Amino acid sequence: QVQLQESGPGLVKPSQTLSLTCTVSGGSISSGRYYWTWIRQHPGKGLEWIGSISYSGSTFSNPSLRGQITISRDTSKNQFSLKLNSVTAADTAVYYCARDYGVNFRAFDIWGQGTMVTVSS
Amino acid sequence: DIQMTQSPSTLSASVGDRVTITCRASQSLSSWLAWYQQKPGKAPKLLIYKASFLESGVPSRFSGSGSGTEFTLTITSLQPDDFATYYCQQYDSDLYTFGQGTKLEIK
Repeated sequence: QVQLQESGPGLVKPSQTLSLTCTVSGGSISSGRYYWTWIRQHPGKGLEWIGSISYSGSTFSNPSLRGQITISRDTSKNQFSLKLNSVTAADTAVYYCARDYGVNFRAFDIWGQGTMVTVSS
Repeated sequence: DIQMTQSPSTLSASVGDRVTITCRASQSLSSWLAWYQQKPGKAPKLLIYKASFLESGVPSRFSGSGSGTEFTLTITSLQPDDFATYYCQQYDSDLYTFGQGTKLEIK
């Protein structure tokens, strides 16, 4: 079955760029009608959608972060990635990648385990 | 943007109880409403999608209902494994929004 796994540094310095990758196994990110998504959760807080990339490569993102993020994909590696620029301590969170099952679903049925990223000097 | 407000924020209940969690949207939704369960240190788990469709493998004691701006998650006959935090999530016009969560505690 499809599995997602986040990877990336656990510590990022303020003002630098946070870069995370989600590796998808058990299915292709360019097939189906799925949307591959980044979601974060600040410590002890709720969930915040960051942005998504579709099966065709189109992207859309949270307006509150739009100028700060880039979501891309590497179909040859079956991965999609998140870059978050100019990070501050407020970007410290657990970052999840997840799959939206598609246009008739619009919910996240598969999640990675999450990776904790701390922004600190 | 559509805002999602869950109530209550915390709910205390006993094993065997029936509980209901409500999610209210700031404007009418087109049924793209989902519910998740999250346990400490774990990723959320999808329970309900499209307001009332039970995700495969989720026990039938979980059910969802509602339309427009008000949606509910009901758990009948609470089991020890159900004590967790629950989130609603909506989708509209390429934006997803989560509710702030409801923590279900053992009374």
